[in-house]
Amino acid sequence: GAGVSQSPRYKVAKRGQDVALRCDPISGHVSLFWYQQALGQGPEFLTYFQNEAQLDKSGLPSDRFFAERPEGSVSTLKIQRTQQEDSAVYLCASSPRGQGPSPLHFGNGTRLTVT
Amino acid sequence: QQPVQSPQAVILREGEDAVINCSSSKALYSVHWYRQKHGEAPVFLMILLKGGEQKGHEKISASFNEKKQQSSLYLTASQLSYSGTYFCGTPRGNNDMRFGAGTRLTVKP
Repeated sequence: GAGVSQSPRYKVAKRGQDVALRCDPISGHVSLFWYQQALGQGPEFLTYFQNEAQLDKSGLPSDRFFAERPEGSVSTLKIQRTQQEDSAVYLCASSPRGQGPSPLHFGNGTRLTVT
Repeated sequence: QQPVQSPQAVILREGEDAVINCSSSKALYSVHWYRQKHGEAPVFLMILLKGGEQKGHEKISASFNEKKQQSSLYLTASQLSYSGTYFCGTPRGNNDMRFGAGTRLTVKP
């Protein structure tokens, strides 16, 4: 596709349910990032992949959050036993390079609401 | 550590100018600027890579002062389409981006 694609666009989960959010980066992009964006705030870093390697997961808020990118393309962010504080927009971004500064291309995000 | 942006919000009339500042407590090697419209993805505006570098995009330009560890975004002769939230991003290491809290810009007719 032409851009970063995320699905689903919206997700409502009951507290305690598990959710899986998908990100399809731009083809060939080496780096992939997940961010959490609360209403009125900037994107907060969650985790970063270079190809299939998860190089930084320091932003994951708890061990309920897990991300993978097994083949170095599509990535999934999984949240187990969702809590109300997990409600946010989850943004995925990709960039073509693994080293050095390059623009991030963002998807439209998944808006997660935990009731 | 996240960069700090100021002001938090700006309201302009069409044609007016604005400056958005971004500063960091750590040494900066590059600064990224993005704009996000309500309900949409952040969109890349520009990267500044060197101290003193200035770049332009339409009537939006930016400067980077690495000694002061800060960058400024300049919007001149603002248009309605400039409305949105502007974020600066500062990479740690390999493009590992940290964003400021954002500056909400509203341009009114």
